[in-house]
Amino acid sequence: DAGITQSPRHKVTETGTPVTLRCHQTENHRYMYWYRQDPGHGLRLIHYSYGVKDTDKGEVSDGYSVSRSKTEDFLLTLESATSSQTSVYFCAISETMTANNQPQHFGDGTRLSIL
Amino acid sequence: ELKVEQNPLFLSMQEGKNYTIYCNYSTTSDRLYWYRQDPGKSLESLFVLLSNGAVKQEGRLMASLDTKARLSTLHITAAVHDLSATYFCAVVGNQFYFGTGTSLTVIP
Repeated sequence: DAGITQSPRHKVTETGTPVTLRCHQTENHRYMYWYRQDPGHGLRLIHYSYGVKDTDKGEVSDGYSVSRSKTEDFLLTLESATSSQTSVYFCAISETMTANNQPQHFGDGTRLSIL
Repeated sequence: ELKVEQNPLFLSMQEGKNYTIYCNYSTTSDRLYWYRQDPGKSLESLFVLLSNGAVKQEGRLMASLDTKARLSTLHITAAVHDLSATYFCAVVGNQFYFGTGTSLTVIP
């Protein structure tokens, strides 16, 4: 299994509070991704990173920011959490975006509830 | 934006039966992935399909890709309870795009 650790695994917080989720990899992969998974929507990309300090937006980036100061760590921040951000968040990694046949590898997910 | 549609969204089938899950996508892509997700778990890669006509098989699952029709199928042969899970397809455009998933329940 790919070495991907997400923390925390579960979190309950209140509307308006800041929340940071962490993804740590031991595979030295260049690309890292944050997805949210909601019923009826599959997985939707929030942000991704293609290198240290290099990030780009996905299809549902509003209300989220990311940072990548080291190859192994990719942080997702909700500056002021809202109830619509209640979801399961998955981190994924890949060696490249499109150039080879390797799939993404996923972490175990973080279940976030915002009351 | 690339759209990926899967059908059916929910599938309940008896053990021993065959069935097919369909994945349609809206624009040209030359690679498609299938994943499995057990309840409360992460996604596990099943197949990577890289070219038109590609076919991959693992146990009771067989995946195929028709890039001209923008269609991939995941065929289940003689289903067993252990195959109960949610199956996702994903297509690569400028990023990875996932289908909404097919929740499969195999009834003994």
